Amino acid sequence: DTGVSQDPRHKITKRGQNVTFRCDPISEHNRLYWYRQTLGQGPEFLTYFQNEAQLEKSRLLSDRFSAERPKGSFSTLEIQRTEQGDSAMYLCASSPRTGVEKLFFGSGTQLSVL
Amino acid sequence: AQTVTQSQPEMSVQEAETVTLSCTYDTSESNYYLFWYKQPPSRQMILVIRQEAYKQQNATENRFSVNFQKAAKSFSLKISDSQLGDTAMYFCAFMKHGRGDNNDMRFGAGTRLTVKP
Repeated sequence: DTGVSQDPRHKITKRGQNVTFRCDPISEHNRLYWYRQTLGQGPEFLTYFQNEAQLEKSRLLSDRFSAERPKGSFSTLEIQRTEQGDSAMYLCASSPRTGVEKLFFGSGTQLSVL
Repeated sequence: AQTVTQSQPEMSVQEAETVTLSCTYDTSESNYYLFWYKQPPSRQMILVIRQEAYKQQNATENRFSVNFQKAAKSFSLKISDSQLGDTAMYFCAFMKHGRGDNNDMRFGAGTRLTVKP
């Protein structure tokens, strides 16, 4: 059990650029979640996958955001045409199949849009 | 929709003392889970304690315990013998029991706890 891994840890980009983050969940965890957290606030749910199926998307997730989990293992979160309001910590978490409803979080990707 | 409310933005406690953090939630579900997560300055979210709603017995983990009042929809965290390393943001969270959709974890706004030497 190596934990949830996120890459990169930090990303600085200019407004209007596209960015992509990667999350590797704990092996054999079939649920994967993406959250966004701004300073001083709790994590806000963005989307989650069960295996490769994207089961839920928050209304917070605008059309500029897209997430994939093509083989039910790692996931990517892409933000197109970034805006300064996208600056936040993006957290990934994974969870075992059922009966153990708890999330294991990665260290997050801190995005700064200049 | 489920909501989680933490009414104490900041709290402080002397080292070795006891502190209680409050959390209330709103849901129409009967079967769910409640959590307290800790987020130190490193921003790594760490699970502190978990409570299953169908269990009447309050969960405990070493110095951490909860007071779960299902009818009142209240879920407070008690930290005994506070240590400097307990300084962190503490988030209360709710997760519905189930296998399908709408099964994400919802968080409160957090309480910043400072343990003073």
